[in-house]
Amino acid sequence: EDQVTQSPEALRLQEGESSSLNCSYTVSGLRGLFWYRQDPGKGPEFLFTLYSAGEEKEKERLKATLTKKESFLHITAPKPEDSATYLCAVEGSGGSNYKLTFGKGTLLTVNP
Amino acid sequence: DAGITQSPRHKVTETGTPVTLRCHQTENHRYMYWYRQDPGHGLRLIHYSYGVKDTDKGEVSDGYSVSRSKTEDFLLTLESATSSQTSVYFCAISETLRPSGELFFGEGSRLTVL
Repeated sequence: EDQVTQSPEALRLQEGESSSLNCSYTVSGLRGLFWYRQDPGKGPEFLFTLYSAGEEKEKERLKATLTKKESFLHITAPKPEDSATYLCAVEGSGGSNYKLTFGKGTLLTVNP
Repeated sequence: DAGITQSPRHKVTETGTPVTLRCHQTENHRYMYWYRQDPGHGLRLIHYSYGVKDTDKGEVSDGYSVSRSKTEDFLLTLESATSSQTSVYFCAISETLRPSGELFFGEGSRLTVL
């Protein structure tokens, strides 16, 4: 069974203090790893797709990287507006039906 | 922002009553999904649709049914609501089934079953 574990559960940073969020996964044949951002009371917003180890994607202050066992979401010089819950999800090739497995998320708070 | 509208946004109901949540999209995307989000759990798929009148079960489909009579509408029905179905329900859409994770979500419908 596919599993996704995100750490830490919560992270508090000062504005400008760079850090990383971790997404560890076990999956039978990775089809894709996905990052989302979710603001309170809103639906998740798609950020990145990573397909294979070594791949990197960037968007503004965010950079996502992928290895065979985990993905990191690096946040460089964060601003208060980066505060949100960040979700990671994986799709494996095992099984015939569509299945996307989500982690529980990391709540990021950036203080001014 | 993707044109996805969920209704109602908030609902309180009694155990044993039927409830229908509606998802309406203006993007003409083929694939539509219903997820639930609960504290301590990741998002979990209830049902999804790959076309008009074509639907399939997700990992937590017991107690739920869906219907899709038009491309733009996907309905989620709880035939007899239970307290365990208290949750936030999200509709999502995508243009393709692969890659499966590039979903666009609605704002959510918060359901409380007393």
